[in-house]
Formats: sequence, C-alpha cells, structure tokens
Amino acid sequence: KAGVTQTPRYLIKTRGQQVTLSCSPISGHRSVSWYQQTPGQGLQFLFEYFSETQRNKGNFPGRFSGRQFSNSRSEMNVSTLELGDSALYLCASSFGGDSLGTNEKLFFGSGTQLSVL
Amino acid sequence: DAKTTQPNSMESNEEEPVHLPCNHSTISGTDYIHWYRQLPSQGPEYVIHGLTSNVNNRMASLAIAEDRKSSTLILHRATLRDAAVYYCILRDDYKLSFGAGTTVTVRA
Repeated sequence: KAGVTQTPRYLIKTRGQQVTLSCSPISGHRSVSWYQQTPGQGLQFLFEYFSETQRNKGNFPGRFSGRQFSNSRSEMNVSTLELGDSALYLCASSFGGDSLGTNEKLFFGSGTQLSVL
Repeated sequence: DAKTTQPNSMESNEEEPVHLPCNHSTISGTDYIHWYRQLPSQGPEYVIHGLTSNVNNRMASLAIAEDRKSSTLILHRATLRDAAVYYCILRDDYKLSFGAGTTVTVRA
C-alpha cells in the first residue's frame, strides 16, 4: 500500500510569490491534515480536511489556505510569501471517520521543504 | 490541550531497552496518549497509542500508570534506526499538538 505522497519535495520561492503544495493520502483515507515545522516553533497544526470540507483550522493567517478534492487528494496554498514561511510542510492522512480523531493513527508524508528568499 | 513533560534527551546502547518517560498530570478521562517519532529528514511516524491499558505492538510497548498521570514508551531492543525525536502527545481532539519531544541517541 502506497504511503502519503507529497510533491514537490523541495521548493524555492521569493517573497511575495505564492506557492501550492500537493498531498496524496493513503488509499481509503478521507482525512488530510497539514502541519508546518520550523526550528523555532516546532510542529504546528494548519488545517484538516474531510470529504472536501475544512473541518478544523489552526491559528495561521488567511494567507494559508487549502482544499481537498473528491479523490481525497489535498492542496495547500500560501499567498504573498514571507521569509518566515520557510519551513517543512507536512501532510498527514487518516481514515477520518471519528470527527475528533483521538483514537486514530496519522500517517505522515516526508514533507515539502519550502525556502523563501 | 493538556500538556506533557518529557526529558530533552536520552542515550542508549544498541540492543538494550529504552524507557522514555512522559508526565501528563492534567490528563482528562478521554485523552488518548499517543507516541510519534521523527527520524532525520522524515515526517513523524506513528509509534503507539492507548487510553488506559498497557499496549504492545511490533515497534514498542506503552505502559500507562494506573492514575494515567504518566506513561512510558518502551523500545525493547534499540537499534541505530531508532535514533529519533520521540513525541508524547495527549490527544483530545482532531489535531496532534507536538511539544519538543525527547531526542534519543543510540550508541553502537
């Protein structure tokens, strides 16, 4: 069974540009979550999608957005990039049947390393 | 989110057991205890989780105190591949709230 796939693996952008990252979950998984990892802040939750709807959102500005398609694949978009957006962006998938998800395992991809110059 | 406290780092010798403690004195009755680990240059990897009873799987064991205010992740025989940051997380909702974790070093 294929794992969670994130593309691209590395990305370099300049300030002010926008970027779109892609995540393909494990087959059969309907929930996709996104996390940002930086050396200073660690791993922080961005948002979660289930059945094409954003179900939960973390404490990030509106420049960070996402969507989920009918095949459960997800994309996240960051507009007007800032230097501080340089980070490893991780996607995780799970079955998602439990709306709280407390008893579910999350499966993470290897991430997209975004560098903003 | 309820908080967890873990040691910053631990060292172990290869093929010896590793016991990783986690304190969570403010845990509520419905919080699940999850453990994830992150190897260098990879995303976090699920290790184990439990609610009240001790749990075992092929990767590790989770021992949960009777009052649930602490737990211990046990790696039975550490290998070099077990060198990673281990996160103890109390889960009461949809997201994982990662702390700083414990950096485990395994000596050959």
